[in-house]
Amino acid sequence: DIQLTQSPASVSASVGDRVTITCRASQDVNNWLGWYQQKPGKAPKLLIFPSSSLESGVPSRFSGSGSVTDFTLTISSLQPEDFATYYCHQTHSFPFTFGPGTKVDVK
Amino acid sequence: QVQLVQSGGGVVQPGGSLRLSCDVSGYNFERHGMQWVRQAPGKGLEWVALIWFDGSRALYMDSVRGRFTVSRDNSRNTLSLQMNSLRVEDTGVYYCARHLGGTLEGVQGRLDHWGQGTRVTVSS
Repeated sequence: DIQLTQSPASVSASVGDRVTITCRASQDVNNWLGWYQQKPGKAPKLLIFPSSSLESGVPSRFSGSGSVTDFTLTISSLQPEDFATYYCHQTHSFPFTFGPGTKVDVK
Repeated sequence: QVQLVQSGGGVVQPGGSLRLSCDVSGYNFERHGMQWVRQAPGKGLEWVALIWFDGSRALYMDSVRGRFTVSRDNSRNTLSLQMNSLRVEDTGVYYCARHLGGTLEGVQGRLDHWGQGTRVTVSS
C-alpha cells in the first residue's frame, strides 16, 4: 500500500499568512494526487487534482505542485474561511489512501 | 446541480448489520464510478470501496472485504453499502462520493462531489 505522510500535522496561522503543507508518498504516484479541505462536521471538498490543477470554483490563492513522491499545497494569503483540515489523497493505485491531515487553525 | 443525499446508518451491536444508501441527482449517474469513504471519530479519512460505473466490479479495503458489499441501481440513481458482521472499529461517519475521471481500471480519478455523511456507531 502507498503510505502518505503530511507535514506539519498542524499549523497556527493568521489571516493573510502564506501556508504551505507538504505530502510525501512512500512510492511514486505520478501526478495522481489530490488535495481536499474539510471543515468540522462537513464533507471534504476537492481543491486540486491532479497535483497542480485547481478544481473549478476554487479560489486562486490555493495552488498545488509536485510530482512522483513529493507534493505541496500552498495557500498564498490565508482567509478566514480557510481554517480547516487539509488531506492529500492518492488514486494512483489500490488501495487508495489519504494522508493523516494537516489542521490549519487560528494563531 | 449534482446532489448526493445519504440515508441509513445508526447504532448497532457488534456482529450486526446496517445498510447505507446514497441517492444521486443532477447528472447521468450511470456514467461514473462511486466510492465510499469513512472517518472514525476524531480521525482522518479512509477509503472503503469503489464500484465501477456499470456495477461490474467493486474493490474494497482489506479490513471490510467479505463483510461489506457495495452495489448500485442505475435505474434508480442509488448507491448502497451493505455492512455485515460490523465491528467496533467500523464506527464513524461514512461518505459516498462521485469518482470522476480515471481509467477503466478505476485508478486516477478524483472525488468531486460528496454526500453529507451518515453516522454509524457499533457498540455493545
